[in-house]
Amino acid sequence: DTAVSQTPKYLVTQMGNDKSIKCEQNLGHDTMYWYKQDSKKFLKIMFSYNNKELIINETVPNRFSPKSPDKAHLNLHINSLELGDSAVYFCASSQRTGWGYTFGSGTRLTVV
Amino acid sequence: AQTVTQSQPEMSVQEAETVTLSCTYDTSESDYYLFWYKQPPSRQMILVIRQEAYKQQNATENRFSVNFQKAAKSFSLKISDSQLGDAAMYFCAYRRAGGSQGNLIFGKGTKLSVKP
Repeated sequence: DTAVSQTPKYLVTQMGNDKSIKCEQNLGHDTMYWYKQDSKKFLKIMFSYNNKELIINETVPNRFSPKSPDKAHLNLHINSLELGDSAVYFCASSQRTGWGYTFGSGTRLTVV
Repeated sequence: AQTVTQSQPEMSVQEAETVTLSCTYDTSESDYYLFWYKQPPSRQMILVIRQEAYKQQNATENRFSVNFQKAAKSFSLKISDSQLGDAAMYFCAYRRAGGSQGNLIFGKGTKLSVKP
């Protein structure tokens, strides 16, 4: 069983569209995250979500919104996609009192 | 704010040789964790090794070991007997410890090439 799974792995879409990326973890972790990896491979936190507490990186545009139906899922919804949103998006999970992160395999988003 | 710096954008090593990747970090915290992640072309993020700041002993995982210098805020990764499969991006990362632990903060990465 995959510990942290993301779908889809690849997503190509046109500017202006709205899209979602799904993430699920089966590790029983209580905290989930979304990271963005840009074209220069730099990884930056976008959101962390723990027990309904959402912490947003202030640099993230409000077109991006995380949605968590339950503790095992944290989906990423993006409105009005722009060319600059093209990147690889990683979901991850951890225990808040633990120290290890487990990453999903990433979603490569291409906006054309 | 905490920062992580990897000063070597690219490194190269001959197969079977040893290579050291550098990492420095800046924090005012006394309790934290440090990590090295590997990202091969498959883009999967793979945990290579981790170190708790309160432990003086350097972590070791098979061919991978770290040189943790807390006072100097340095956390280098040594790869011994390099293999072709070690070719990847390597990211150093920091995470604050404690009751409300911070997010994982990454350096910009070092691209490691292994020559046969």
